Amino acid sequence: QVTLKESGPALVKPTQTLTLTCTFSGLSLSTSEMRANWIRQPPGKALEWLARIDWDDEKFYRTSLKTRLTISKDTSKNQVVLTMTNMDPVDTATYYCARMGPKWELDYWGQGTLVTVSS
Amino acid sequence: QSALIQPPSASGSPGQSVTISCTGTNSDIGGYNFVSWYQQHPGKAPKLMIYEVTKRPSGVPDRFSGSKSGNTASLTVSGLQAEDEADYYCSSYLYYKNLVFGGGTKLTVL
Repeated sequence: QVTLKESGPALVKPTQTLTLTCTFSGLSLSTSEMRANWIRQPPGKALEWLARIDWDDEKFYRTSLKTRLTISKDTSKNQVVLTMTNMDPVDTATYYCARMGPKWELDYWGQGTLVTVSS
Repeated sequence: QSALIQPPSASGSPGQSVTISCTGTNSDIGGYNFVSWYQQHPGKAPKLMIYEVTKRPSGVPDRFSGSKSGNTASLTVSGLQAEDEADYYCSSYLYYKNLVFGGGTKLTVL
């Protein structure tokens, strides 16, 4: 059974750095063709792709947020970590991690974690 | 990475069919057959319904079908049921090795 679970703070202050962790179970991050993604969804708004890290450690970022995002993985813990610097209230959203299959489909999703940015 | 264009809303009565469109460019939908569709119920994570334009993952009813013409992809839900009421999002591969989502469509079953 494949499960993904996001963890991190529910509340961060403006200008702080957010660190989120996604723990994979039933899938190995070191498997060839493994692609792990972060997606967010502000309340009442659309999904927004943020970043991806591939099995070969190649990394991709949303152009508009590239300077604020860092994605990394720890294959020994089967975890993917996303950091976002200089948080702002507009970054308030549910943050999801998801596995991307070979046809660029997001076939496994975590339950999401709501992050609120407020002083 | 401009969002793919979806109508904000769609509706149909039980048993009817409804089609949701998703319009992109030659750099995404028009250039590749890597279009996916997701269903999202309130408070839940998205669920993959269609991938590679027309394919259904195991467990997805065959009432859901996908197609593509030029820069526009479509999701058709036939034989509408109450549980189909949800938000639907399209996504596409975007040159170079990126992903782009649509703005989402709220499907109402009347």
